[in-house]
Amino acid sequence: GAGVSQSPSNKVTEKGKDVELRCDPISGHTALYWYRQSLGQGLEFLIYFQGNSAPDKSGLPSDRFSAERTGGSVSTLTIQRTQQEDSAVYLCASSPRTVSSYNEQFFGPGTRLTVL
Amino acid sequence: AQSVSQHNHHVILSEAASLELGCNYSYGGTVNLFWYVQYPGQHLQLLLKYFSGDPLVKGIKGFEAEFIKSKFSFNLRKPSVQWSDTAEYFCAVNRASSASKIIFGSGTRLSIRP
Repeated sequence: GAGVSQSPSNKVTEKGKDVELRCDPISGHTALYWYRQSLGQGLEFLIYFQGNSAPDKSGLPSDRFSAERTGGSVSTLTIQRTQQEDSAVYLCASSPRTVSSYNEQFFGPGTRLTVL
Repeated sequence: AQSVSQHNHHVILSEAASLELGCNYSYGGTVNLFWYVQYPGQHLQLLLKYFSGDPLVKGIKGFEAEFIKSKFSFNLRKPSVQWSDTAEYFCAVNRASSASKIIFGSGTRLSIRP
């Protein structure tokens, strides 16, 4: 079946511009996560959506970062006024949140963002 | 706050050597534990997970991990590595039975010499 998809796969932008990154989770998965992976670093949690609950935004590094999840499915991560330190691979994951797969996450291929 | 430590940043082994990658976490409650692997150019994928029961869990490709609650550890092991095991390995933890985020370690890069 289809996995988690993300678009674009690569994005090059100029400092100060806004960017939108898209994530299509696996159909039926209620939980959706965004992470950031910088060169040589681990995964940094950004935001978590679970069903209709208020999202956990505790990992967003600044107010330039925001995310939405429309209709409980597709999610968009927006970075306003991009800075060079925002350059990273942005990963999306979804989870079915069933008892047998509790919190097991399925990752997308990521979007590599380069801010010039 | 929860944290996950992977003390080995880069491990280099020869084929057929035994592997153990360390993972320690800081959280006193009941946890779910995971190891993920990222092969070169591929997505992150789940290697194995521990939710409850037998603390020795078996994963794909001959990997296993042992949960030692008293040591807050979940080390990954494989008795005999192959060149194809070259990848980055991430340990992850979250609080059990709660809708909470998963905390990842910084990863261990494993290089296998053919």
